[in-house]
Amino acid sequence: DAGITQSPRHKVTETGTPVTLRCHQTENHRYMYWYRQDPGHGLRLIHYSYGVKDTDKGEVSDGYSVSRSKTEDFLLTLESATSSQTSVYFCATRTRRDEQFFGPGTRLTVL
Amino acid sequence: QKEVEQNSGPLSVPEGAIASLNCTYSDRGSQSFFWYRQYSGKSPELIMFIYSNGDKEDGRFTAQLNKASQYVSLLIRDSQPSDSATYLCAVISNSGYALNFGKGTSLLVTP
Repeated sequence: DAGITQSPRHKVTETGTPVTLRCHQTENHRYMYWYRQDPGHGLRLIHYSYGVKDTDKGEVSDGYSVSRSKTEDFLLTLESATSSQTSVYFCATRTRRDEQFFGPGTRLTVL
Repeated sequence: QKEVEQNSGPLSVPEGAIASLNCTYSDRGSQSFFWYRQYSGKSPELIMFIYSNGDKEDGRFTAQLNKASQYVSLLIRDSQPSDSATYLCAVISNSGYALNFGKGTSLLVTP
């Protein structure tokens, strides 16, 4: 257990609404990640962070932004949610041995 | 070409049998390989990692790596119904920062 929490765990929102998902870790890991998981696509990387204020894009970053102002928190923002962003979102952290551990996930539904 | 390939299954094995899960990857320079187990509605859980050619055993699990043939496999001995889950293969990406995941193989262990 890497001490990762995500909030909210479930959210239903409407198209065009901004949404922010929060990931919090207690292990002081440098690297943090946001993935989305969809049937038929598996886990896909959205954004990642390699330190405070250091972030980079992943495979499916369009429509998403991130921020990391503290080591323990990594925020994912959907500026204007669309139905295609309905998904399960997982946060993960990475140890020095390259092991990634996942949070419990956030199920987001955009109507 | 998808970087990490897995047969989606379902792979059905009787209780007590050996389950064999396979994964191929495209980047010949990949160095680190991971197996995750994901129960329905839950987050991925790291069960094995392997860096060197050959076998690595941990309890009922054995990971096998063949870099020349670019495949990694997971054997589960004495399979139990509780092993029924989706197994995800992951490989460190070209950037070295993130993991590339296969879409997973669904395993069903029947009593």
